[in-house]
Amino acid sequence: GQQLNQSPQSMFIQEGEDVSMNCTSSSIFNTWLWYKQDPGEGPVLLIALYKAGELTSNGRLTAQFGITRKDSFLNISASIPSDVGIYFCAGPPPGGAQKLVFGQGTRLTINP
Amino acid sequence: DVKVTQSSRYLVKRTGEKVFLECVQDMDHENMFWYRQDPGLGLRLIYFSYDVKMKEKGDIPEGYSVSREKKERFSLILESASTNQTSMYLCASSLLVGEQYFGPGTRLTVT
Repeated sequence: GQQLNQSPQSMFIQEGEDVSMNCTSSSIFNTWLWYKQDPGEGPVLLIALYKAGELTSNGRLTAQFGITRKDSFLNISASIPSDVGIYFCAGPPPGGAQKLVFGQGTRLTINP
Repeated sequence: DVKVTQSSRYLVKRTGEKVFLECVQDMDHENMFWYRQDPGLGLRLIYFSYDVKMKEKGDIPEGYSVSREKKERFSLILESASTNQTSMYLCASSLLVGEQYFGPGTRLTVT
């Protein structure tokens, strides 16, 4: 099935650094979602975006709905150890409103 | 807060056994989903249900069936477990288009 292209696949950073990751699609999406998954747990919804150009924050996290509607970005400022995990982008595909397609995830590792 | 619970966090079964994975959500959501997650393959949709007694196949339904007799409960059934079904199984529910809320997952090992 359709997937979203998420990059980078992994990141190794120092505590306190800012993080940027993005997600692209060949199709237009009307909703973009960002999830975080801690090791051994289910994904947790961080931010939902519904409008092209929208910029939404959740604490140190900021996500943007790309103006072309084919991409989205997630930034984490001043990373801390509990930010470690896998970040997934997701969205309902064209014509498949109840389902989601997911990116492959960005694995974030933080060196203290 | 939305709460999605799964009956077991860890499960070990033998090849050929019938396996039931249960999922319950407490937010009166219409839609429920079962995924499996494997390293390098991401999240793959097995089945979903948009109403009681309704079900639709996802991307990888082979070897699985589901049951939704009550709105809050969605069960995944492995009729005859095989080693290639060893995986992390995630249940999710949603009310709105898109926003899905996940349970903690069941790590199933089939030996």
